[in-house]
Amino acid sequence: GAGVSQSPSNKVTEKGKDVELRCDPISGHTALYWYRQSLGQGLEFLIYFQGNSAPDKSGLPSDRFSAERTGGSVSTLTIQRTQQEDSAVYLCASSLNVRGISEETQYFGPGTRLLVL
Amino acid sequence: AQSVTQLDSQVPVFEEAPVELRCNYSSSVSVYLFWYVQYPNQGLQLLLKYLSGSTLVKGINGFEAEFNKSQTSFHLRKPSVHISDTAEYFCAVIYTGGFKTIFGAGTRLFVKA
Repeated sequence: GAGVSQSPSNKVTEKGKDVELRCDPISGHTALYWYRQSLGQGLEFLIYFQGNSAPDKSGLPSDRFSAERTGGSVSTLTIQRTQQEDSAVYLCASSLNVRGISEETQYFGPGTRLLVL
Repeated sequence: AQSVTQLDSQVPVFEEAPVELRCNYSSSVSVYLFWYVQYPNQGLQLLLKYLSGSTLVKGINGFEAEFNKSQTSFHLRKPSVHISDTAEYFCAVIYTGGFKTIFGAGTRLFVKA
């Protein structure tokens, strides 16, 4: 009965380094979302995976950001050549979406707090 | 462009008073609407959602919201708040047929004794 888990919980990195953030969705959930929550702002949609379909990458802010989902389960968000403006909390959510539509509740992980120095 | 506007960034209110947190979205096409809550040092969790049917939706912890299609609004209400309701509340919309979830900037509800 585990929820969505994310690792690491906190990450401090130097400007220019690459970082990888991991998300383990709830078992059986076909949909997975990544969001970014900057200080004092709402959640910014980054990318969406649904089953084996091509992901919706429309929210990725630049080509330094990429994500993959292996075997329809675990997902990794990679930020290359990090910049200070990438500092934020990165949230992952999963949902059942058994009919491939978007009405299902999203269950959120605790987030990864990224600080780029 | 699709957007969600939460008109109040902070709402201070006394315990046992009623509260309304406002949310408007940018388009009148068919939508799914959600309210999520983020308690201090916790992750987001669903409070309630509107998919179809009755425009008045009841959620957890005594909250309810009303979908108003003509005003493109989905305001959240509670008749009597508790200290434990202190949290950040996010309104979100998914345009049916799509998957991208658009969140508002959040409203911080602060309940005072």
